[in-house]
Amino acid sequence: AQSVTQLGSHVSVSEGALVLLRCNYSSSVPPYLFWYVQYPNQGLQLLLKYTSAATLVKGINGFEAEFKKSETSFHLTKPSAHMSDAAEYFCAVSDREGGSEKLVFGKGTKLTVNP
Amino acid sequence: ETGVTQTPRHLVMGMTNKKSLKCEQHLGHNAMYWYKQSAKKPLELMFVYSLEERVENNSVPSRFSPECPNSSHLFLHLHTLQPEDSALYLCASSQEGQGFAGELFFGEGSRLTVL
Repeated sequence: AQSVTQLGSHVSVSEGALVLLRCNYSSSVPPYLFWYVQYPNQGLQLLLKYTSAATLVKGINGFEAEFKKSETSFHLTKPSAHMSDAAEYFCAVSDREGGSEKLVFGKGTKLTVNP
Repeated sequence: ETGVTQTPRHLVMGMTNKKSLKCEQHLGHNAMYWYKQSAKKPLELMFVYSLEERVENNSVPSRFSPECPNSSHLFLHLHTLQPEDSALYLCASSQEGQGFAGELFFGEGSRLTVL
């Protein structure tokens, strides 16, 4: 079964600083990888996804992530944090175990943006 | 109208009550999911319905009973719950097949409190 590890349950940055949220996956075959964002009292919203095309994936709100097979990583970055980026971010990997397709999520990283 | 709608948004119930959570998707998808989100735990996949047939049941206690009467509607019937069942319950939908890449569309969740 696939698994996802998100390093750091909490990350705090200053407004305008670089955002880096880490995600490592375990997979023996090329996976599909996702980043979702959850704002307070809301469901999860897709930020971006990697589906074996370009290794650098651009998403909404200025976020991007790079798929590195050699490092089994899919870290999320944004050059300049905005106050509105404060939310919880989830990395996920697709899994086909048991005949049905499903997503396996990491534990999430809560991003705080300080003025 | 949002793609995936969940009602009620908030529910408080006693341990002996019977209640139901409802999910409706307006995206024409053929698969629907229930996830449980508890504090400090990863998202837990509870049930998967594909083409209205349950294809996954992740060892969920029988006090949770799903129902999928058609491809647009999904219910989670609750009875004799425990306080540890208090959580945010998220519904999601996806389009399986045709190059499915695992992308899920989430509702805003139903916040359940069991007293």
